[in-house]
Amino acid sequence: QKEVEQNSGPLSVPEGAIASLNCTYSDRGSQSFFWYRQYSGKSPELIMFIYSNGDKEDGRFTAQLNKASQYVSLLIRDSQPSDSATYLCAVPSGGSYIPTFGRGTSLIVHP
Amino acid sequence: NAGVTQTPKFQVLKTGQSMTLQCAQDMNHNSMYWYRQDPGMGLRLIYYSASEGTTDKGEVPNGYNVSRLNKREFSLRLESAAPSQTSVYFCASRTGSTDTQYFGPGTRLTVL
Repeated sequence: QKEVEQNSGPLSVPEGAIASLNCTYSDRGSQSFFWYRQYSGKSPELIMFIYSNGDKEDGRFTAQLNKASQYVSLLIRDSQPSDSATYLCAVPSGGSYIPTFGRGTSLIVHP
Repeated sequence: NAGVTQTPKFQVLKTGQSMTLQCAQDMNHNSMYWYRQDPGMGLRLIYYSASEGTTDKGEVPNGYNVSRLNKREFSLRLESAAPSQTSVYFCASRTGSTDTQYFGPGTRLTVL
């Protein structure tokens, strides 16, 4: 069973701070990594994906991948109350397109 | 471009009743998926269809059946609903270019 682990939180940060969300995975063959955001009562929506080791930036979001240590993280700079949501890490097993989802980390950004 | 649509949005069933959840996508994606989401359990894959005409079991297929009616539509059927099937059900489709999944709005099902 492929595993994707996330701290369930909640992670509480003040407005304007950097929020750091982490995810570890068990399958060393995994090649692609996804972060989805899910507001309460809504469906997941893609924030970012990353394939290569290192950092990938998109606006206030940065995904960081370290395949040797088998973790992927999401940094949210200048956090806003509208960023308050659950963040899901998704990792397809190597050679498949079937992602395993972590249980999600709840983020609360307070004014 | 509606993306992924699901019907119904809400449903209440009695134990033993049957129903079909409908899903359609207009993005010309080959792959489609059915998940259930329970509090504290994350998203768990029920069934998926890699392409029109094929379906495969996921992590939690017991009590469910699926039909890939055509490239656009993928339905999920509960033949004899049980209280353990109370959940939120999401349908998703996947783009082949980036492997990103696009989710429908979900169906909130309660089985009494």
